[in-house]
Amino acid sequence: DIQMTQSPSSLSASVGDRVTITCRASQGISNYLAWFQQKPGKAPKSLIYAASSLQSGVPSKFSGSGSGTDFTLTISSLQPEDFATYYCQQYNSYPWTFGQGTKVEIK
Amino acid sequence: EVQLVESGGGLVQPGRSLRLSCTASGFTFGDYAMSWVRQAPGKGLEWVGFIRSKAYGGTTEYAASVKGRFTISRDDSKSIAYLQMNSLKTEDTAVYYCTRALYYYANGNYYFDYWGQGTLVTVSS
Repeated sequence: DIQMTQSPSSLSASVGDRVTITCRASQGISNYLAWFQQKPGKAPKSLIYAASSLQSGVPSKFSGSGSGTDFTLTISSLQPEDFATYYCQQYNSYPWTFGQGTKVEIK
Repeated sequence: EVQLVESGGGLVQPGRSLRLSCTASGFTFGDYAMSWVRQAPGKGLEWVGFIRSKAYGGTTEYAASVKGRFTISRDDSKSIAYLQMNSLKTEDTAVYYCTRALYYYANGNYYFDYWGQGTLVTVSS
């Protein structure tokens, strides 16, 4: 199975900050990587697919990059509604696997 | 508007069975693959399984942790995906989400777009 490792596991940031989350795959997955946002008590929301393509309706403050084994999710200017847990997921091969999550908290 | 609504969760004893449903609306259900993802209390996301559309054989894939115990099926006439869970274990306790999976023609892979709100399954004696 492909292991997905996110860093950091949590971070504290202020409104307006630029935030970057990293996701590393245990083997190459080309660009078959997605990012999700989950708020407490809510279902996950799809943000990005194919490492850098925004899902419909997702604001452009979110961006993704990377290929192979190393990927990043960047939030250009953190807003109150962005405080949540973020997950990466590989869909290169079965079983599809998720990172352990990165919790973005208010500083 | 795309909507996915899960139902069928509840409290069940270890070793028993439960069937979850995911009722879809707002799109042509039969054209899409569907998947189930679960989340144990306070934990991260875990992929459970996936069913392709009939156009791609309607075949399934499963995580090792549920293979042989869980079965995903679909009724395109009713726009419903099912997750039949047998021989339930306490470690199957989780919120179960259904997701729509989009087929990316360029490479033959699938990725999630829409998620349901989830249904809680508690396995306990």
